[in-house]
Amino acid sequence: GAGVSQTPSNKVTEKGKYVELRCDPISGHTALYWYRQSLGQGPEFLIYFQGTGAADDSGLPNDRFFAVRPEGSVSTLKIQRTERGDSAVYLCASSLLGRAPTGGYNEQFFGPGTRLTVL
Amino acid sequence: AQSVAQPEDQVNVAEGNPLTVKCTYSVSGNPYLFWYVQYPNRGLQFLLKYITGDNLVKGSYGFEAEFNKSQTSFHLKKPSALVSDSALYFCAVRPHAGGTSYGKLTFGQGTILTVHP
Repeated sequence: GAGVSQTPSNKVTEKGKYVELRCDPISGHTALYWYRQSLGQGPEFLIYFQGTGAADDSGLPNDRFFAVRPEGSVSTLKIQRTERGDSAVYLCASSLLGRAPTGGYNEQFFGPGTRLTVL
Repeated sequence: AQSVAQPEDQVNVAEGNPLTVKCTYSVSGNPYLFWYVQYPNRGLQFLLKYITGDNLVKGSYGFEAEFNKSQTSFHLKKPSALVSDSALYFCAVRPHAGGTSYGKLTFGQGTILTVHP
């Protein structure tokens, strides 16, 4: 079956502009995650959804970042007033997620990422 | 707060030799532990996980990892390395009981594995 897909694969924008990054998870996966990976670093958690709701958004760096998953499938990460420091690869993942608080045993499946460059 | 340390930025081994990529973790309570591999210009691929039970877990491509609770380690191993194993490897952790954060993975900074012919 199809894996996690992300569009666009590359996005170049100018400082101050607004961008949207899209993630299409594996069909049937209830949980969707966004991470950010800077060069030479491991992925850093941003936010995750269980269904339509954001279960944990503690990793969003500030209020310029926002994500939605209105129908419990596709998700969009939105960045307002982009800054050069936002440049990174944005990774999306999906998984089945068991019941809280101990259901986090399923592996996450990652998409190829969107490389965002803010000039 | 949970954390993962991968003490080696790079590991170099000769093809056919055993390899070890080290990982230590810090988490409240029992952990779920994962290894992922990242090839250039490709997404992270799941290798293996420790949930409970046998401390030695086997995964994809001949990799295995040993969970050591007393040393809070989860080192990745392979008995005989291949040139094609050369990639970036990440260890990651989740707590068993994480409250609203139970879905969140915390990654190490990664270890570049290079296998020489």
